[in-house]
Amino acid sequence: ETGVTQTPRHLVMGMTNKKSLKCEQHLGHNAMYWYKQSAKKPLELMFVYNFKEQTENNSVPSRFSPECPNSSHLFLHLHTLQPEDSALYLCASSQGATMGEGETQYFGPGTRLLVL
Amino acid sequence: AQSVTQPDIHITVSEGASLELRCNYSYGATPYLFWYVQSPGQGLQLLLKYFSGDTLVQGIKGFEAEFKRSQSSFNLRKPSVHWSDAAEYFCAVLGAAGNKLTFGGGTRVLVKP
Repeated sequence: ETGVTQTPRHLVMGMTNKKSLKCEQHLGHNAMYWYKQSAKKPLELMFVYNFKEQTENNSVPSRFSPECPNSSHLFLHLHTLQPEDSALYLCASSQGATMGEGETQYFGPGTRLLVL
Repeated sequence: AQSVTQPDIHITVSEGASLELRCNYSYGATPYLFWYVQSPGQGLQLLLKYFSGDTLVQGIKGFEAEFKRSQSSFNLRKPSVHWSDAAEYFCAVLGAAGNKLTFGGGTRVLVKP
């Protein structure tokens, strides 16, 4: 499998559930990202990881908890979400640690999340 | 702080007609610029990018974009649109510091037969 994959593609959860989104990249990249895409807002960067270290947290509520066990995998753990958290969550990766063309980001297909 | 504006929220174009999508950015230095396309229910696919050199950039699917520093613009064009080009298009800018990508609000393109 090539590129950036995300599972599950669709997820419905209640406000008291705990679930996790998974992202895997097969590009040999070292930087990974989580974005949120809502119906009415531009794409919002949530988290950035470079070489497994979190380098950016864009004021994301603590009910979203990222985890990056290695450079190929990125998780987003979800707990006690609100209906307004319903959105498309996109994962991306880039070569990382280098400027220029190495910072081109490649996106996965996203997980469509509905919080009831 | 960097920002991107896509002035057109929706554009309707007839199949076979030309298409131009506008993108204006705000950034203090030379930006790295990108265009992505998103089909319904899908992730973002990279169409093209500008880092340096020739200001007219060729991308996939017959798209091109021109970087104009004097106008802070990076407009996307296609000479003849196909029905499969119906999608949402996003312009993005990457600052020189770090790897933070800032997106515009997107332009949704509808193609009429």
